[in-house]
Amino acid sequence: EVQLVESGGGLVQPGRSMKLSCAASGFTFSNYGMAWVRQAPTKGLEWVATISYDGSSTYYRDSVKGRFTISRDNAKSTLYLQMNSLRSEDTATYYCTRDPPIHKGFFDYWGQGVMVTVSS
Amino acid sequence: DIQMTQTPSSMPASLGERVTISCRASQGISNYLNWYQQKPDGTIKPLIYYTSNLQSGVPSRFSGSGSGTDYSLTISSLEPEDFAMYYCQQYDSSPLTFGSGTKLEIK
Repeated sequence: EVQLVESGGGLVQPGRSMKLSCAASGFTFSNYGMAWVRQAPTKGLEWVATISYDGSSTYYRDSVKGRFTISRDNAKSTLYLQMNSLRSEDTATYYCTRDPPIHKGFFDYWGQGVMVTVSS
Repeated sequence: DIQMTQTPSSMPASLGERVTISCRASQGISNYLNWYQQKPDGTIKPLIYYTSNLQSGVPSRFSGSGSGTDYSLTISSLEPEDFAMYYCQQYDSSPLTFGSGTKLEIK
């Protein structure tokens, strides 16, 4: 059974940093691209970043480019999102998702989400 | 960025009813359109990929169609577990974008 379990969220002050993790199991992690999608309170879904299966390629939405870094450790089957210079508008639930090779851009498994609150 | 406009934003419906949710892209997306369901507890379930392909395990009462800029999700006969939020998402070009969602409510 595919499982994606996020951790590392919580309350952080504006301008500070936070690192999210996503532990994957139930599939060969190194064969799949992965992505983060977020949802601000009472808002819709918003794609944040994607990383290729081997970590060689990364893609970001403009609003996080230069502040967030997506990375992965295939030996540990873990996805990361390093978030720096956090802003109030980054407050959201962050979902770890799997991005299958055949239909890149279709998120076929989602974690339960982890809440990040940016506030002083 | 490609804007995805979903209609309606909310839809009251009854058990057994057939419903259709629409999604319009601001430019052609070549059928690169997915649908997701979100329950009140936040759980997100993929339903349909590439316009009309049913994700494994999704009941056959769900179907998708469309082309160009206009797409739709149809539920042929509503079951109690179908009352939820639904989102469309395009993956024709970056940034990947979602519609604003449709809340399917019990009438």
